[in-house]
This record gives sequence, C-alpha cells and structure tokens, in this order.
Amino acid sequence: EVQLVESGGGLVQPGGSLRLSCAASGFTFSSYAMTWVRQAPGKGLEWVSAISGGAASTYYTDSVKGRFTISRDNSKYTLYLQMNSLRAEDTAVYYCARDQKGLHPVNPFDIWGQGTMVTVSS
Amino acid sequence: IQLTQSPSSLSASVGDRVTITCRASQDISSYLAWYQQKPGKAPNLLIYAASTLQSGVPSRFSGSGSGTDFTLTISSLQPEDFATYYCQQLNTYPFTFGPGTKVDIK
Repeated sequence: EVQLVESGGGLVQPGGSLRLSCAASGFTFSSYAMTWVRQAPGKGLEWVSAISGGAASTYYTDSVKGRFTISRDNSKYTLYLQMNSLRAEDTAVYYCARDQKGLHPVNPFDIWGQGTMVTVSS
Repeated sequence: IQLTQSPSSLSASVGDRVTITCRASQDISSYLAWYQQKPGKAPNLLIYAASTLQSGVPSRFSGSGSGTDFTLTISSLQPEDFATYYCQQLNTYPFTFGPGTKVDIK
C-alpha cells in the first residue's frame, strides 16, 4: 500500500525549532518529488516547500524562506522539514504529499499523509 | 499568482448540479488542479491539468477552462460529496491554492 506517515509535530515556543518527518512506503521514494503543505486551524491550504526526487532542487514559499529547510534521505524513504525561528502564524497541520508523476515538483499531489499538528505558542 | 474561488460556500441537495469557479490573477494555461477535503482528512486529488480526471475519481466530477478561468462541476451531487473544494495552480512557484468552496447540505 502506498502510504505517507508524518511525525514530529507538537507544541513549541515562539522562536523555537522543530523537525518534521514523513515516512514513505509502497513506492520507489527516490523517483518522486515531494512537497509540504500546511493548513492553519479552520483555514485553507498553503503550499510550503517542495524538493525534487534527487534532492538537487528545493523550493519555498516566501514566508518560510530562510527559516525552514526541506530535505530527504532516499535510503531511509523519509522526507524532512526543519523549522527554525517558529512564529505563531506557523501553527498548522503539516501534510507531506507526493508529486503525481515523478522526479520534478511540477505536478499536483496524488498521495497525502494524515498530517501532523504544529502549535507555536508560549 | 492569486486564486479566487466562487462561491465561498453553497448549499445544495443530493442530485443537484453544482458548479464552482476558480479564477487566476494571471494566465496559468491549464496548470490547474482541484482537490476535495473532508473535515479532519487530507485533501484528495480530483482533477489535474484543468480537465483530466484523476484515476478512481467518479465521472460525475469534471473540470474545464484554461488561461485564467476554470470550473469544477459535479453533475449530480451525492451524499459523500459534501466537503470543501480547493483549486491549485501549478504554473509558477509557490503553487498557491484557492481559498476553498464549502459545499454543504441544503
């Protein structure tokens, strides 16, 4: 079964750090670009960051540039999101998602994880 | 690129034909996808490339449009279709989503 499972969410103080993980199974992980999407409580979806299958290319939305780093370990079938200098407005459910077609993050997302909640509050 | 959706919400009955509109702030060709999201669940891909039905999605869902104006149509609303629908542009990073359209029961 093709599956994505996020972990690493929790409560963190403003200015703190957190690393999210997304464990993939059921497909050849290195053959697919991956993306993080977040959703603040009661709000819509926000594209956050993407990475190509070979990790050569990364992309970020402006509000997280310089604070978040996307990475992947293809040998471990795992996607990461390192989040530093966290702000209250980063509070959201964070989903990882798979590119529909392949290596380059230019397609919509056909497989999603269940999400992990990040709360930034003092 | 900014996306707007209309309406922001609608009430409909089982069997109704429902149309949701998504408008982009600039030409995005056919680089548009539609997702359905139910409460507490991850989104589900319905349509990509503006009009191509994702595998496994019922044929009552259809998409059309190109350039800046797009529509999602549900030909005969079913009980399991009550959800929030989002469009997403994949023409230019960041791949923005529309604000969503909530479809609930009349």
